[in-house]
Amino acid sequence: QQQVKQSPQSLIVQKGGISIINCAYENTAFDYFPWYQQFPGKGPALLIAIRPDVSEKKEGRFTISFNKSAKQFSLHIMDSQPGDSATYFCAASQGAQKLVFGQGTRLTINP
Amino acid sequence: GAGVSQSPSNKVTEKGKDVELRCDPISGHTALYWYRQSLGQGLEFLIYFQGNSAPDKSGLPSDRFSAERTGGSVSTLTIQRTQQEDSAVYLCASSWSGYSPLHFGNGTRLTVT
Repeated sequence: QQQVKQSPQSLIVQKGGISIINCAYENTAFDYFPWYQQFPGKGPALLIAIRPDVSEKKEGRFTISFNKSAKQFSLHIMDSQPGDSATYFCAASQGAQKLVFGQGTRLTINP
Repeated sequence: GAGVSQSPSNKVTEKGKDVELRCDPISGHTALYWYRQSLGQGLEFLIYFQGNSAPDKSGLPSDRFSAERTGGSVSTLTIQRTQQEDSAVYLCASSWSGYSPLHFGNGTRLTVT
């Protein structure tokens, strides 16, 4: 019940395209859903987060879509750029403590 | 101020040796976490400190793993009698508390030969 399942494991997108990464969770007590971005040799950094009282949150080119009934949430990166090439992790928790992370998606943006 | 600092950045040790990994959280952050990231895998929760409360050790994989946090600041993760399966990147994170984001260090890459 503590798992967060993330797909795809890897994703290749052309520059300017839309990157979409999906996550699903089981624990209905989860109430905080962040996405983290990690570059090689660095720790993950918070990209954007959402609470279940909204269905969508947008920050610049990054959007989280949240479907509470389906227990799914996704990250959309609009106008994807080579600098967006990184590993992305979704996560979930109750009260933002003890985040449970997905397995990660390695995103490559081709120029 | 500075971010979360971890040392060493890399550690190579022989199987059976003990290792200590250090984490300096962001000043004022009351919550501190240790996660483990194996090659190509997600982040696995190990332990969580919140203020003066007893730590949540529910993620420690075996009794060879222990951690302490002194004075509500610096934390040390100790792995005794290291095994090859302990090879991973060990990440430390800190946060204010509640819904504040986790700030991660760059990790310690541990290699057990």
